[in-house]
Amino acid sequence: KNQVEQSPQSLIILEGKNCTLQCNYTVSPFSNLRWYKQDTGRGPVSLTIMTFSENTKSNGRYTATLDADTKQSSLHITASQLSDSASYICVVSEDSNYQLIWGAGTKLIIKP
Amino acid sequence: DAGVTQSPTHLIKTRGQQVTLRCSPKSGHDTVSWYQQALGQGPQFIFQYYEEEERQRGNFPDRFSGHQFPNYSSELNVNALLLGDSALYLCASSLGFSRAYNEQFFGPGTRLTVL
Repeated sequence: KNQVEQSPQSLIILEGKNCTLQCNYTVSPFSNLRWYKQDTGRGPVSLTIMTFSENTKSNGRYTATLDADTKQSSLHITASQLSDSASYICVVSEDSNYQLIWGAGTKLIIKP
Repeated sequence: DAGVTQSPTHLIKTRGQQVTLRCSPKSGHDTVSWYQQALGQGPQFIFQYYEEEERQRGNFPDRFSGHQFPNYSSELNVNALLLGDSALYLCASSLGFSRAYNEQFFGPGTRLTVL
């Protein structure tokens, strides 16, 4: 069964610290993996999209990695800011019908 | 360049009623997808419209139906509302159906509360 699992479920860190969020998937055949940021009550905003051949992709202070062999991805946030407080959702696209399989998200809280 | 817009922002209905949510895609986009997101959960795919036809559908009952107009805007209709239909309904637009790398842009969502 195609699944996307994220950890931790929630995370609290101090402003200025770094953090890493994890995503494991069993989606097959794999097409691409996306990370979204979603502020409470708002629509998700795309951070990165990575295909099978891409190991890492950055978007400002956000860096996503992908290991297609182990079917794992991570999102690293550097020098966190209060505005980084949000849910971060990992989404994997299946290559047969291009359906998006969504994770439940990691809720990140940045404290001053 | 307007992004994805949705209306209304908030909506309160009672059980058994019917509701229609509306979405205008990002300029230049022709594909609209609808998602339901319960509190604390990830979005659940409802269906996707392209060329005015439903192309893909998630695991939702027939009470959920939709429509896409010639200008690519879309409506989501839910009949016989249940308490469990309370959620944030998200619309996402993209360019081209069945393109693996097509990035989806999301609207701000419609918060539906069923009493």
